[in-house]
Amino acid sequence: GAVVSQHPSWVICKSGTSVKIECRSLDFQATTMFWYRQFPKQSLMLMATSNEGSKATYEQGVEKDKFLINHASLTLSTLTVTSAHPEDSSFYICSARDLGQGDTGELFFGEGSRLTVL
Amino acid sequence: GQNIDQPTEMTATEGAIVQINCTYQTSGFNGLFWYQQHAGEAPTFLSYNVLDGLEEKGRFSSFLSRSKGYSYLLLKELQMKDSASYLCAVRDSNYQLIWGAGTKLIIKP
Repeated sequence: GAVVSQHPSWVICKSGTSVKIECRSLDFQATTMFWYRQFPKQSLMLMATSNEGSKATYEQGVEKDKFLINHASLTLSTLTVTSAHPEDSSFYICSARDLGQGDTGELFFGEGSRLTVL
Repeated sequence: GQNIDQPTEMTATEGAIVQINCTYQTSGFNGLFWYQQHAGEAPTFLSYNVLDGLEEKGRFSSFLSRSKGYSYLLLKELQMKDSASYLCAVRDSNYQLIWGAGTKLIIKP
C-alpha cells in the first residue's frame, strides 16, 4: 500500500513557541491531505483538509491562524502550530488518499506526531 | 446531525470470536470503513464496505446493511496482538469521513 511519513514523531516545546510537523507521501502524489488531532481515548477529529497549490479548508472551530497549513508540493504538507499552549498538546496525524490506485476512499496515515507543550 | 455509535469497550478471550457493532446516521452514504489503532499509533486500514453484505479478509470480516445503517466487524481466532481500538468511519454525501469514537478491544489469555 501507499506510504505516508510524518515527522517528527515526538516533539516537546515551550509555551509560546511554534512547531512544524511535516507529512510526506513517499510513493504517490497527494493533491489532498488531511490533518487530524486526537486526544487521549478519543476518536480522530478532522482539523483541516490540505489542498496542493491552494488554501487549506478548515473545520469549524479550528483556528486557521493558529494552525497554519502549507501544501507546497504534491508530496508534502506541513502543519505549523503557532504560539503553542499546553492545551495544544495532542496527537496530530496526517493522512492522504492514493487516487492512482482507484479511489476506494482508503486513507493512508502517517505515523502521527505527539506534541507536548510545557 | 451525523452520528456514529459503537461500544466503548469490549473484552474477549484469546482464540475466540468477537463482533464489534457500528450504527450510523449520516447525510448520505458513500462507504463504511473499519480501522485498527494500537495505542500511541496511527490507524491502519482494515476494511471497506459500500454494498450490502459480508466482506471477508483473513481473520477479519466486515458486514454492512445500508437500510439499517448498521455494520459489524468480526474478528476470528483472536490473538493478543488484536488488542487495540477499532474505529468505524462513514463517508457521507460530501465525501467527508465521519468517525466513530472507537471500540477498545481487550483480549485476555
